[in-house]
Amino acid sequence: DAGITQSPRHKVTETGTPVTLRCHQTENHRYMYWYRQDPGHGLRLIHYSYGVKDTDKGEVSDGYSVSRSKTEDFLLTLESATSSQTSVYFCAINQGYNSPLHFGNGTRLTVT
Amino acid sequence: QQQVKQSPQSLIVQKGGISIINCAYENTAFDYFPWYQQFPGKGPALLIAIRPDVSEKKEGRFTISFNKSAKQFSLHIMDSQPGDSATYFCATGAGGTSYGKLTFGQGTILTVHP
Repeated sequence: DAGITQSPRHKVTETGTPVTLRCHQTENHRYMYWYRQDPGHGLRLIHYSYGVKDTDKGEVSDGYSVSRSKTEDFLLTLESATSSQTSVYFCAINQGYNSPLHFGNGTRLTVT
Repeated sequence: QQQVKQSPQSLIVQKGGISIINCAYENTAFDYFPWYQQFPGKGPALLIAIRPDVSEKKEGRFTISFNKSAKQFSLHIMDSQPGDSATYFCATGAGGTSYGKLTFGQGTILTVHP
């Protein structure tokens, strides 16, 4: 699992509520990413970070925000959850610019 | 939006057979082509990757074949085993950006029967 812990592993929430997912790494890697996985779409990049307080948008960033105040933690926030955000969310890290990507075990989020 | 098209969606193979999964991409700027393997309840794990300066890369029973002119690459699993049953994703990375910003295919569910 490349030293990646995602929490919670499962969450059920109601439409309109805020949700925060946490990714914690013990590898001291500079680069961190949030992907979502949906059937028929593979994995899609939501947001990524190249360092503390250095974040940027990915392919499917609408409705999501991120924060990175410490090297080891990368938070994904759904300000007002919608049913379309029901998905499995994966955090990933890599050591350097051209190094392989390693994934955590995911958070399954259900928005009812 | 850059796309990576992966086929087939699902594949059933007998033990000892060859599994072949194909991917096609559009953006010629891509220069990193990894394959990921995912078991239920787990995150994807890097299986094997290739750069476009070679046409083939082999690691054990797993081989990537790359056709730059056709913008296609494929994963071959030789002597397929029941333990290979998993979901496989191809992906592409663009030159000049991090290998963490990947565009993934839709996935192939591989089932290997004993």
